[in-house]
Amino acid sequence: GQNIDQPTEMTATEGAIVQINCTYQTSGFNGLFWYQQHAGEAPTFLSYNVLDGLEEKGRFSSFLSRSKGYSYLLLKELQMKDSASYLCAVAYSGAGSYQLTFGKGTKLSVIP
Amino acid sequence: GAGVSQSPSNKVTEKGKDVELRCDPISGHTALYWYRQSLGQGLEFLIYFQGNSAPDKSGLPSDRFSAERTGGSVSTLTIQRTQQEDSAVYLCASSKKRNEQFFGPGTRLTVL
Repeated sequence: GQNIDQPTEMTATEGAIVQINCTYQTSGFNGLFWYQQHAGEAPTFLSYNVLDGLEEKGRFSSFLSRSKGYSYLLLKELQMKDSASYLCAVAYSGAGSYQLTFGKGTKLSVIP
Repeated sequence: GAGVSQSPSNKVTEKGKDVELRCDPISGHTALYWYRQSLGQGLEFLIYFQGNSAPDKSGLPSDRFSAERTGGSVSTLTIQRTQQEDSAVYLCASSKKRNEQFFGPGTRLTVL
């Protein structure tokens, strides 16, 4: 299988920084996505990495190391509305499509 | 502009009945995906359509599941003889480019 591993839950304080890690199997790697999903809602796209390095987009940044099969999502200046599940997903080539393999998600709770 | 829409938003059915779930992708998006999200599990790929190509059905869990996409736009996911383990949120996504997938709000299916 193509396991995507990420922590189940994390808690962080409003205004702080939190890093959510994701590891994946590297064979056939064709890009990594981060999605945010609030309870009862559809996932919304946050970032896409296909090359090594850091992609910054406002308060959110995403990092990728292809050789290590590792990514993280960095959230700065946390706000209460950032409480949600964060899904790491990997596109694998060779499957005939660009289906995404998802991790189980990291439930982030932001506390005052 | 309009996003991906799905109907119904909720469906409760009895074990053994057939159900049809509908997805209207974003206009102009050639790729369409169906995923399933069970409680406590990550999103699970079901099927992928790309233009007029043969669909990638590699994720369908059994022959009770089928999907079609008419005219390269609307898609219907059909589950025959539903079982309790089919209870989940069924999410549809569409894309125009490889590095993005936009999700609909999902259909919550409950099989009694």
